[in-house]
Amino acid sequence: EVQVVESGGGLVQPGGSLRLSCAASGFTFSNFWMSWVRQAPGKGLEWVASIKEDGSDKYYVDSVKGRFTISRDNAKSSLWLQMSSLRAEDTAVYYCASIHLGYWGQGTQVTVSS
Amino acid sequence: QAGLTQPPSVSKDLGQTATLTCTGSSNNVGYQGAVWLQQHQGHPPKLLSYRNANRPSGVSERFSASRSGNIASLTITGLQPEDEADYYCSAWDSILTIWMFGGGTKLTVL
Repeated sequence: EVQVVESGGGLVQPGGSLRLSCAASGFTFSNFWMSWVRQAPGKGLEWVASIKEDGSDKYYVDSVKGRFTISRDNAKSSLWLQMSSLRAEDTAVYYCASIHLGYWGQGTQVTVSS
Repeated sequence: QAGLTQPPSVSKDLGQTATLTCTGSSNNVGYQGAVWLQQHQGHPPKLLSYRNANRPSGVSERFSASRSGNIASLTITGLQPEDEADYYCSAWDSILTIWMFGGGTKLTVL
């Protein structure tokens, strides 16, 4: 059974940092691109970042470039999103996903507020 | 970064057929197709269709996807109350090197 479990969300002040984690199991993690997708309250899905199978290439939405870093450890079937210089508009539920395979976690809430 | 275009809302009667559309370009939808996702309020998205329009195991045969050029479509037959949800399409853009999402279509079953 495929499982994707995010953790690390929480309340953080503007300008602060947070590191999201994602633990995957039930599929060959090292064979697939992985992504972070977020959903602000009452809004649609927004792609945030993706990383290739071997971590050699990373892609980001313009609004997070220079502030967020996606990384992975295939030996641990784990994915991370390091977020810094957080803004109010980063407030959202963050999902770890293999978009083209359709594997999604339950999401972790990130709230940026003073 | 622009997204894929979906109608914001569609309303159909119980038992009818709904066809949802997703318009992109030759760089995304027309390149490798689009996935279709269903999301009920308060829940994570659920895959309804792979980029090649195949249905994942466990997804009802009432859901079928297709593509014509740069437009992907999701057809839902025999609408049921539980089909009331938000539906999203998503495709990889080969030029922008980003995953694009549509704004979502809210399906109401009357």
